[in-house]
Amino acid sequence: DGGITQSPKYLFRKEGQNVTLSCEQNLNHDAMYWYRQDPGQGLRLIYYSQIVNDFQKGDIAEGYSVSREKKESFPLTVTSAQKNPTAFYLCASKTADNSNQPQHFGDGTRLSIL
Amino acid sequence: GQNIDQPTEMTATEGAIVQINCTYQTSGFNGLFWYQQHAGEAPTFLSYNVLDGLEEKGRFSSFLSRSKGYSYLLLKELQMKDSASYLCAVRGGDSSYKLIFGSGTRLLVRP
Repeated sequence: DGGITQSPKYLFRKEGQNVTLSCEQNLNHDAMYWYRQDPGQGLRLIYYSQIVNDFQKGDIAEGYSVSREKKESFPLTVTSAQKNPTAFYLCASKTADNSNQPQHFGDGTRLSIL
Repeated sequence: GQNIDQPTEMTATEGAIVQINCTYQTSGFNGLFWYQQHAGEAPTFLSYNVLDGLEEKGRFSSFLSRSKGYSYLLLKELQMKDSASYLCAVRGGDSSYKLIFGSGTRLLVRP
């Protein structure tokens, strides 16, 4: 079955630690996205990638980093510089950034601070 | 600035009809999406509007007025499983084609 897989489902971070959230898709989509969702708030864009080996900052990129070495994979690293990382993180993909097709979402990773 | 407004919460009765409104002010417009999100789960796509008018898809319909910056999602014959958050998202007019999400409307369907 085609889809987007995020792992792990739950993640805990210690102070000063970097953690990496995985996002893999087998939909052959060019564009991939990372969002952060906080309680009572909408999704906010962290980073997005329109094509392999290219990515752009979203609205809240500070304290995060990404890579896009393969079409299928778009991992997100939450660095120690992100002082309030507790949130629900959602990865999404679509055929191409400039198409009117909807984004498809993974099941999310819930990150908490120990 | 860019802004999308939705009511925070709504309550409706099983079998009834409910309308969830969304107003937006964005720099340009390239379409509006509605997503459903159950608690702790991924958002799932419901509908897409880019031209004025009503799009019907089974029990769900979505309406758009570009001149008014306004959309609504209409849910008919409500079922208990329709209790979820409903997210309105607008695709802006700049070159990035980014989606701008509203805060979502939490709908509670009561028996």
